[in-house]
Amino acid sequence: DAGVTQSPTHLIKTRGQQVTLRCSPKSGHDTVSWYQQALGQGPQFIFQYYEEEERQRGNFPDRFSGHQFPNYSSELNVNALLLGDSALYLCASSWRAGVNEQFFGPGTRLTVL
Amino acid sequence: EDQVTQSPEALRLQEGESSSLNCSYTVSGLRGLFWYRQDPGKGPEFLFTLYSAGEEKEKERLKATLTKKESFLHITAPKPEDSATYLCAVRGELSFGAGTTVTVRA
Repeated sequence: DAGVTQSPTHLIKTRGQQVTLRCSPKSGHDTVSWYQQALGQGPQFIFQYYEEEERQRGNFPDRFSGHQFPNYSSELNVNALLLGDSALYLCASSWRAGVNEQFFGPGTRLTVL
Repeated sequence: EDQVTQSPEALRLQEGESSSLNCSYTVSGLRGLFWYRQDPGKGPEFLFTLYSAGEEKEKERLKATLTKKESFLHITAPKPEDSATYLCAVRGELSFGAGTTVTVRA
């Protein structure tokens, strides 16, 4: 049983560029959440997708956007990258939004130069 | 707004030296408190879910307990492989604490 997978593993971008991160949920899961984790901090909630719609959003600017596909996989897009966007981006999946425990992928390490 | 505070920030233990980690929370209507383990550079690994005060869950050398204001993660006779950062989180979306980094020396 495949767990949550994310791609790419590492990414280096420069300020002002745009980036797309991808996530495939654990088999049987239909909900995907995205988190940003800065070094030494706990993960911070970005948003959650269920039934191809954004259901909840954390305190992140509109530069952060996402999408969920019919097969439940998801993308996180970040526009106009800032140095402060450098972090580990984590995807988590669960069965039904807001109810059950979330299982995390290995993350994508984004470095903005 | 949900608030989660973990203490201590770091804990250095000798192998076999039991200890406890604390997670204090403020949330309007608890819909679950979650414990995760995170190794450096990796995603958090799910450990436990607790839903009501008085509930306890165990897994190997780890035991999680819950009161109305806080949760404890007890590590009994830890081994070096228990070295990790332990995160707690509360529902809505998951609001995480900053974590407690545990180092166990052989």
